Amino acid sequence: DTAVSQTPKYLVTQMGNDKSIKCEQNLGHDTMYWYKQDSKKFLKIMFSYNNKELIINETVPNRFSPKSPDKAHLNLHINSLELGDSAVYFCASSQDIRLRTDTQYFGPGTRLTVL
Amino acid sequence: KNEVEQSPQNLTAQEGEFITINCSYSVGISALHWLQQHPGGGIVSLFMLSSGKKKHGRLIATINIQEKHSSLHITASHPRDSAVYICAVGSGIQGAQKLVFGQGTRLTINP
Repeated sequence: DTAVSQTPKYLVTQMGNDKSIKCEQNLGHDTMYWYKQDSKKFLKIMFSYNNKELIINETVPNRFSPKSPDKAHLNLHINSLELGDSAVYFCASSQDIRLRTDTQYFGPGTRLTVL
Repeated sequence: KNEVEQSPQNLTAQEGEFITINCSYSVGISALHWLQQHPGGGIVSLFMLSSGKKKHGRLIATINIQEKHSSLHITASHPRDSAVYICAVGSGIQGAQKLVFGQGTRLTINP
């Protein structure tokens, strides 16, 4: 049973297209995250939702829009894709972002390549 | 300068050697996390600590809050320990903890 799953695993698309990445967790956690890992393997948080409410919104272009239909799902929609969006996107979940000591569980990642 | 700095960036060692990876941070933290990223890309949380020391199998993590420094040690290293090890600090924003990551240490253990 996969704890945090993402689809698709690989995504290759043309500049200017709109695409979505889906994330689901079956751990019963309240908080979910999206991270971007660049070509140098550096991870950075993009968004965090707690119980469907946006908690963290880093300086991410408006072309990126997270959607949380329920607390088990956090999808990432990207409009007008650019070359610089090419990266690995990781979804993660944790029990509750407000806890000082809160372990995060990561999905397998989605490798996005924009041509 | 990154808020979380790891050293070394790359480390190659022989099987059986004792490994140490260091992490220094400059922000106030609620907890420090050590993560392992496998060659296949998956990320696993190894430790979360806010004081002292934790041990799990051959892995030991320590933290010195006053010096803002943590170390990850691997005893009797094995080729399967080859991975990228990432230090991350939990930093509070209005009650919400977000992780700030180091740049990672790529560890290669040769047989």
